[in-house]
Amino acid sequence: GDSVTQMEGPVTLSEEAFLTINCTYTATGYPSLFWYVQYPGEGLQLLLKATKADDKGSNKGFEATYRKETTSFHLEKGSVQVSDSAVYFCALSGGGGGTSYGKLTFGQGTILTVHP
Amino acid sequence: EAEVAQSPRYKITEKSQAVAFWCDPISGHATLYWYRQILGQGPELLVQFQDESVVDDSQLPKDRFSAERLKGVDSTLKIQPAELGDSAMYLCASSFHQGGDEQYFGPGTRLTVT
Repeated sequence: GDSVTQMEGPVTLSEEAFLTINCTYTATGYPSLFWYVQYPGEGLQLLLKATKADDKGSNKGFEATYRKETTSFHLEKGSVQVSDSAVYFCALSGGGGGTSYGKLTFGQGTILTVHP
Repeated sequence: EAEVAQSPRYKITEKSQAVAFWCDPISGHATLYWYRQILGQGPELLVQFQDESVVDDSQLPKDRFSAERLKGVDSTLKIQPAELGDSAMYLCASSFHQGGDEQYFGPGTRLTVT
């Protein structure tokens, strides 16, 4: 079946540091890839997405490129802010290994803490 | 801005009791999802509805969990009887239609079983 593996956390950075959170996936088909963010006490929000190979998703200074050859979708930001502190989830849908189309398969999440 | 509504936000119950969660998706969204998120893990799909029909409930523990979306709008997830291992965040999400679209998540219901 489909699966998503994220780098183990937590990740602690100083403000303005460069961020990378690694994400790799296993899927039998051609999935869409997503990054969701969960701020404390809130539900998940879509951060960015990519629907086909070599697509780059971007939002709020974050970006990730769909790399089919390495089955990866790493999240990057050039300069993090304290307000970026949250839990980040990599996810996929439509990989063909699930039982329904549209179902999201999530990684375990990476806690990011940014200090001033 | 339209949002997915869930209630209650927090629920504490004793094991063997019944508990129910409610979700109201964004108006016009045909697909509704219930996910369970155990602390420190990513959400896992419990059940998916397309309008009033169940599309996927393969991960729903059907001996104790049930879900319905009778009129294809709001939905209820029930657990009876609750067990200690059911303590988790229960998230509801909706999308305009299946596949590839953004799923919009509600704030979740935090369940604690004592």
